[in-house]
Amino acid sequence: DQQVKQNSPSLSVQEGRISILNCDYTNSMFDYFLWYKKYPAEGPTFLISISSIKDKNEDGRFTVFLNKSAKHLSLHIVPSQPGDSAVYFCAAKAWVTSGSARQLTFGSGTQLTVLP
Amino acid sequence: NAGVTQTPKFRILKIGQSMTLQCTQDMNHNYMYWYRQDPGMGLKLIYYSVGAGITDKGEVPNGYNVSRSTTEDFPLRLELAAPSQTSVYFCASSYSGTLGSSTNEKLFFGSGTQLSVL
Repeated sequence: DQQVKQNSPSLSVQEGRISILNCDYTNSMFDYFLWYKKYPAEGPTFLISISSIKDKNEDGRFTVFLNKSAKHLSLHIVPSQPGDSAVYFCAAKAWVTSGSARQLTFGSGTQLTVLP
Repeated sequence: NAGVTQTPKFRILKIGQSMTLQCTQDMNHNYMYWYRQDPGMGLKLIYYSVGAGITDKGEVPNGYNVSRSTTEDFPLRLELAAPSQTSVYFCASSYSGTLGSSTNEKLFFGSGTQLSVL
């Protein structure tokens, strides 16, 4: 049962245009959401996050939108650059009752290709 | 800045062999994690630790063991390797400050270990 879903395995965008990556979740206990970027042969690196008390968070060219009623979040990259080509993972956190650590649940990732 | 260091980067095992994946971090993080990533799938949590001497199971712990004798090191042990354990393994760490604060929520990952069991 995938609690975090990224339904688009891949996305191609022209340089300078907007990239929109989508993520849906099913667990209503998730209260913190993160996006990670991963280049080949490297570990994921943190990109941007949003708490469930907000509906938007912006950091430079990257903006994350959260729609709690739809259990949906999206990552907007404007303008897209060739260096943004990577796999983007959506992740979510919830409290777990059996331990004291808040565990991340990851989506399956979306491969973004920005064409020059 | 070294951050999170994993060794080895690649390894091929025969069925039934054992090995230890090493992970060390130099950021003085209390929380450490082991994830595996299968093709076309998200990262799944194997084990995690909230501090030296404390470990707990994640989503997919079967076939693995961990220990945490120091803050810096969090090795992952495979006792009897099986083909189903072919995967990319990532170690990660995070701060243990106030839960819910943004600085506590993000994980820092190592570059991964590609493991094949044949």
